[in-house]
Amino acid sequence: SQQGEEDPQALSIQEGENATMNCSYKTSINNLQWYRQNSGRGLVHLILIRSNEREKHSGRLRVTLDTSKKSSSLLITASRAADTASYFCATPYNQGGKLIFGQGTELSVKP
Amino acid sequence: EPEVTQTPSHQVTQMGQEVILRCVPISNHLYFYWYRQILGQKVEFLVSFYNNEISEKSEIFDDQFSVERPDGSNFTLKIRSTKLEDSAMYFCASSGTGYNEQFFGPGTRLTVL
Repeated sequence: SQQGEEDPQALSIQEGENATMNCSYKTSINNLQWYRQNSGRGLVHLILIRSNEREKHSGRLRVTLDTSKKSSSLLITASRAADTASYFCATPYNQGGKLIFGQGTELSVKP
Repeated sequence: EPEVTQTPSHQVTQMGQEVILRCVPISNHLYFYWYRQILGQKVEFLVSFYNNEISEKSEIFDDQFSVERPDGSNFTLKIRSTKLEDSAMYFCASSGTGYNEQFFGPGTRLTVL
């Protein structure tokens, strides 16, 4: 399965701290994507990193990809209370794009 | 910024009734998806749709489910005879290509009584 598995399952930090979430997957990938979901809402795409990329930045987000270890990490710097959400990694299963999601990391940022 | 829209936001129905969930994907996208999320559980893939036909479906997507793109803009999910276990949030998503990021709608909360 292409399922992404996030770690930790839950993370609680203070505003201003950095948050790091990890993702592992099982087989070769075309790309890996990170999504955020606020409670009861739809998923919002955050960042896509291709298999030939090692690091990518977008604002306060930094994603790394290690294809040899089949793992990725998402770093949110200088976290804010508004970053409180669940974060998921996912990879497209095939050219049709089916995404397989893990349970996610539930991030709580306390003001 | 273009976005995926879904209607209704909340649908309450009786077990055994038919429901149609509607989605308007981003206009120049070619790939369309339905996912669902049972309360407290992870997001599950239901079906993908490309070139006016289903390209892939999950085990959940049995004969009770169908999808349609009746015109150039709408993408619908029909559940013919709802069961209690169909209660979930249903998300529509669209993508420019199969490998690109997917843009999700806000979801329809389906409650089956």
